[in-house]
Amino acid sequence: AQSVTQPDIHITVSEGASLELRCNYSYGATPYLFWYVQSPGQGLQLLLKYFSGDTLVQGIKGFEAEFKRSQSSFNLRKPSVHWSDAAEYFCAVGASGNQFYFGTGTSLTVIP
Amino acid sequence: EADIYQTPRYLVIGTGKKITLECSQTMGHDKMYWYQQDPGMELHLIHYSYGVNSTEKGDLSSESTVSRIRTEHFPLTLESARPSHTSQYLCASSERGWNTEAFFGQGTRLTVV
Repeated sequence: AQSVTQPDIHITVSEGASLELRCNYSYGATPYLFWYVQSPGQGLQLLLKYFSGDTLVQGIKGFEAEFKRSQSSFNLRKPSVHWSDAAEYFCAVGASGNQFYFGTGTSLTVIP
Repeated sequence: EADIYQTPRYLVIGTGKKITLECSQTMGHDKMYWYQQDPGMELHLIHYSYGVNSTEKGDLSSESTVSRIRTEHFPLTLESARPSHTSQYLCASSERGWNTEAFFGQGTRLTVV
């Protein structure tokens, strides 16, 4: 069965510090992987996606993620966090039938 | 910017009322989805559609129903609202095929009192 695990429920970082949000997936075939961001009271916005090819993918707002098949991971990174990055982040896997399975999310707090 | 719209954004309604949450997209996407989102939980797929006249139940049991009479419109209906239906409901759409992402509306925050 498909599943996504985001082990960190909440992360706090200082503005300007680097960030890594963890994501592990379980899927039998080649995964299609996504990171979304959700600001309070809003829907989900796509940050980046991995379908194939280069395992390091670049996204919007300076985010990047690296697909590691051996570790079943797709961690999100940003070298320098801005206060506006405070939000909820969701990792997702695209499965057969074009359904999407989401993790429970990681809430990011940025302190000045 | 994705063109998918949900109305209302916020709704407070009494127990036993019938409600319809609206979702429309202008991207011509074949596939549409309804997710239920509660704090600290993953998004749960409650309904999806592959196209006009196609509707399927998702992984999460839901007392709601959906219809897909037009490509752009995918409303969700609760015949008799209960406090357990209090949640955020997110509508999404995607193109047909494997390598596509989902585009989300801003959500409807439903409170049943």
